[in-house]
Amino acid sequence: ELKVEQNPLFLSMQEGKNYTIYCNYSTTSDRLYWYRQDPGKSLESLFVLLSNGAVKQEGRLMASLDTKARLSTLHITAAVHDLSATYFCAVDLRSSSNAGGTSYGKLTFGQGTILTVHP
Amino acid sequence: KAGVTQTPRYLIKTRGQQVTLSCSPISGHRSVSWYQQTPGQGLQFLFEYFSETQRNKGNFPGRFSGRQFSNSRSEMNVSTLELGDSALYLCASSLGPGQRGRPQYFGPGTRLLVL
Repeated sequence: ELKVEQNPLFLSMQEGKNYTIYCNYSTTSDRLYWYRQDPGKSLESLFVLLSNGAVKQEGRLMASLDTKARLSTLHITAAVHDLSATYFCAVDLRSSSNAGGTSYGKLTFGQGTILTVHP
Repeated sequence: KAGVTQTPRYLIKTRGQQVTLSCSPISGHRSVSWYQQTPGQGLQFLFEYFSETQRNKGNFPGRFSGRQFSNSRSEMNVSTLELGDSALYLCASSLGPGQRGRPQYFGPGTRLLVL
């Protein structure tokens, strides 16, 4: 059974500082996603990482994927208050479909990292 | 382009009742997945539908069921509600199998409270 673990689960940062969220998963996969969730809201897609060594950047966030280590990181640079949210990584495994053949579309999520950025 | 829509947004039911939640995917998306989010268990996969067929199912009891219509809209049903079914139910849509590199896009969710 696929397990996805994030750490830390809670992260309190000062504005302007850098930090990294780690996402470990237990079974080989080449599809990893990062999502952001604001309180009371839905999930917003941040990054899609598809291959070993993939790196994506958007603003102050940068995500990377090491499929050999089964590890993805989300690096935050010079944090600002607007980045306060919960961040989830999710892994998509090819699996046997009930309808025959294989299927993607069953995301297994990490526990989420609650990020608070304060002055 | 309109996003994923879910109705209703909020629902209060009592134990033993049943509930039906609806999801309309992004236009052109043919795959719909459902997730349950609770503080204790986090985000858990319920089912995935593509072309009106259930392709994958999570570890939930048979009280949880779903279906997809020819226009890709999907419904999920929970019968004989229990207190533990109180959760945020999220629907996500994507283009479909084989669309490597495309994320699932999530709707706003239906918040269900069971009393």
